[in-house]
Amino acid sequence: AQRVTQPEKLLSVFKGAPVELKCNYSYSGSPELFWYVQYSRQRLQLLLRHISRESIKGFTADLNKGETSFHLKKPFAQEEDSAMYYCALSQGGTALIFGKGTTLSVSS
Amino acid sequence: EPEVTQTPSHQVTQMGQEVILRCVPISNHLYFYWYRQILGQKVEFLVSFYNNEISEKSEIFDDQFSVERPDGSNFTLKIRSTKLEDSAMYFCASSKWGGANYGYTFGSGTRLTVV
Repeated sequence: AQRVTQPEKLLSVFKGAPVELKCNYSYSGSPELFWYVQYSRQRLQLLLRHISRESIKGFTADLNKGETSFHLKKPFAQEEDSAMYYCALSQGGTALIFGKGTTLSVSS
Repeated sequence: EPEVTQTPSHQVTQMGQEVILRCVPISNHLYFYWYRQILGQKVEFLVSFYNNEISEKSEIFDDQFSVERPDGSNFTLKIRSTKLEDSAMYFCASSKWGGANYGYTFGSGTRLTVV
């Protein structure tokens, strides 16, 4: 069955430290992978998608098919990055399969 | 920036009652979705809707659930006879084009509490 695993419930870092939010998936086909973010009291919003190979707010994520991973990285965390981050997978249709989410807490 | 609007923000209902959750998608979007998140668990896909038809649904979306676009602006999720396990945050989303790759715009959610 298709599954998205985010092994860390909470990740706490200091401002300026590197951040890596882990995401692993299981899917036999060609996955489409995404990171969604939910800031405090705000809506769930798309952060980035793997096909765009973009960097948004300093975050990047590379799809590693060999390791079935799509980890989210940022070299220098900022306090405003504190939020809940969800990794999600699409099988090409309209449904997204979400991971449980990781809370990122950045303190000064 | 255009938003997806959901009402009410919190609804309490008695077990066995029917409940309707309302959403106003972004006006030029054509694809509409419902997701839910039980407290402490994952966000789960319920259903997608396009051209007045369900285009995809999950196992969760059984006969107790239905969706409707009653007019040009609203998109509703009806739960016919609520159960305690229906208590969750329900998110509506919309997109201009179909397929998750285009990204969805989510609403802020309706917290449904079944007592």
